[in-house]
Amino acid sequence: AQTVTQSQPEMSVQEAETVTLSCTYDTSESDYYLFWYKQPPSRQMILVIRQEAYKQQNATENRFSVNFQKAAKSFSLKISDSQLGDAAMYFCAQNYGGSQGNLIFGKGTKLSVKP
Amino acid sequence: NAGVTQTPKFRVLKTGQSMTLLCAQDMNHEYMYWYRQDPGMGLRLIHYSVGEGTTAKGEVPDGYNVSRLKKQNFLLGLESAAPSQTSVYFCASSRGLLTYEQYFGPGTRLTVT
Repeated sequence: AQTVTQSQPEMSVQEAETVTLSCTYDTSESDYYLFWYKQPPSRQMILVIRQEAYKQQNATENRFSVNFQKAAKSFSLKISDSQLGDAAMYFCAQNYGGSQGNLIFGKGTKLSVKP
Repeated sequence: NAGVTQTPKFRVLKTGQSMTLLCAQDMNHEYMYWYRQDPGMGLRLIHYSVGEGTTAKGEVPDGYNVSRLKKQNFLLGLESAAPSQTSVYFCASSRGLLTYEQYFGPGTRLTVT
């Protein structure tokens, strides 16, 4: 079975500082995608960044970047220059395709940003 | 574009009552999903559909039924609500498998007393 593990239930960062959220996954598939979703208090799930497993290069979206270690099955999210608006739940998810295409989610990390 | 919308946003049911949650998307997506989110858990798949007229079970399907009579709509039904179904329900859609982003609705908070 596919599993996604986020070992940090809560994290805190000072405004303008950098924080890294951890995620590990377990899959026997060779072709898959990994995602980080942000869920602010409004509950809306917002895609932050995605990584294609067959690409060596780490994905980057503005202040958000990932450290993708395929052999270690690790997919961490780095947020640089943290802003108050970054405070939210962050979910790591894997899409292994198959016939369903659904996402397998971790339990989430609650990020607080201190002014 | 409205994207993915869900109706209603909040609902309180008594044990044994029934209800239907409506999900609508205007992006012409083939794939649609219903997830539930419980405290301390990620989202878990209830049912999904890979096209109009098709549905299939996900990870936690018991107590729910679904229908996809029109491509743009995906309905989630609770025939006899139980307190264990108290949760936040999310609908999502995507253009295809694997590579495509899933777009989520705003969620429905359901409380069963």
